[in-house]
Amino acid sequence: GAVVSQHPSRVICKSGTSVKIECRSLDFQATTMFWYRQFPKKSLMLMATSNEGSKATYEQGVEKDKFLINHASLTLSTLTVTSAHPEDSSFYICSARGSLGVGEQYFGPGTRLTVT
Amino acid sequence: GDSVTQMEGPVTLSEEAFLTINCTYTATGYPSLFWYVQYPGEGLQLLLKATKADDKGSNKGFEATYRKETTSFHLEKGSVQVSDSAVYFCALSGRGNTPLVFGKGTRLSVIA
Repeated sequence: GAVVSQHPSRVICKSGTSVKIECRSLDFQATTMFWYRQFPKKSLMLMATSNEGSKATYEQGVEKDKFLINHASLTLSTLTVTSAHPEDSSFYICSARGSLGVGEQYFGPGTRLTVT
Repeated sequence: GDSVTQMEGPVTLSEEAFLTINCTYTATGYPSLFWYVQYPGEGLQLLLKATKADDKGSNKGFEATYRKETTSFHLEKGSVQVSDSAVYFCALSGRGNTPLVFGKGTRLSVIA
């Protein structure tokens, strides 16, 4: 149980275009979803927290107009990187937490974004 | 605020060696504690968890005991395999809808 999927797994886009990444909880309802960014050989950097039906809460230094997060249902959250630039190239990982459990988060497999 | 400190890596071990990755935490209240594992190019997988003092979490030969007196949750495995090569993250639960608080991760390389 507690499976989280992410799509796409890899994406290459041209500078200036927008890219949408989907995160789905497949077998549980995710009351809260989290988006992370990870640089090579580095720890996770939390970008934002989103609760279903509410606006996302962004971490300091993360541009909310550049990284649009939508959590429209209890099983789906999307991250849209708008007007992507090469410095946005990274590994993006989502995670989800249900209403049960003891606070654990379940992670998607990640999306490798490359902006050329 | 809450924080997690884990030993700096990388850690390199020979196959069948004993593994310990230290993790200590600072938190108010009684958080739940977790170990996650990240294999190359993948997301994080929950490895084990413990919810109260003296609980022992275990999975796939890995163990960790929630020690309130030393605020620690060290990860151990008696005999590592090459397939255990990964990055290991210690974490504690946030309050309410706050995210997990992660350590910086420890990279483990197991050589045959």
